[in-house]
Amino acid sequence: DAEITQSPRHKITETGRQVTLACHQTWNHNNMFWYRQDLGHGLRLIHYSYGVQDTNKGEVSDGYSVSRSNTEDLPLTLESAASSQTSVYFCASSPLNTGELFFGEGSRLTVL
Amino acid sequence: AQSVAQPEDQVNVAEGNPLTVKCTYSVSGNPYLFWYVQYPNRGLQFLLKYITGDNLVKGSYGFEAEFNKSQTSFHLKKPSALVSDSALYFCAVRASGSYQKVTFGTGTKLQVIP
Repeated sequence: DAEITQSPRHKITETGRQVTLACHQTWNHNNMFWYRQDLGHGLRLIHYSYGVQDTNKGEVSDGYSVSRSNTEDLPLTLESAASSQTSVYFCASSPLNTGELFFGEGSRLTVL
Repeated sequence: AQSVAQPEDQVNVAEGNPLTVKCTYSVSGNPYLFWYVQYPNRGLQFLLKYITGDNLVKGSYGFEAEFNKSQTSFHLKKPSALVSDSALYFCAVRASGSYQKVTFGTGTKLQVIP
């Protein structure tokens, strides 16, 4: 069965370190997204991609970057982790035109 | 800017009773509306969507939602709640012309009491 996987599921890091969260989907979806989930805020969009070599900023993109070198993967990089980036991160993908999102299981990041 | 409001942080309902989880939205143009469910330590799962057509939309696990354009609402409903329905529910909206910009509400925790 097609799926979307995230790794690592849990990570603890220190302020200032670079962190990369991986996202891999086997749905062959063109659209991929990164969200963060925080209590009281719901899900907020960090970055998204419509296809290979395409990336766009979401509403909370400061301090994050993504790259899309193939259809399957959209890694999220925190260049210099900050305590404010402690959160649960979700990757999602969607096929063209249908609208619904398929989510990964999440990556819980703690920045000390 | 588009937005979603879920006015209740938590809804408690007795098992077997009908449940409603409220959602109102704001968006330019025709809305695409969605409900997702999240179980503890899991990702969100798609429940149902409204794009066009019948205002009553049926989805997974016996859930349905009613689209009301005049009240800009999209409330989630189920005739008879199960304990296994206890989870976090998110309403989401996007404008019809921009399928990438989905805005989520803050979520409503549904607690079904045995």
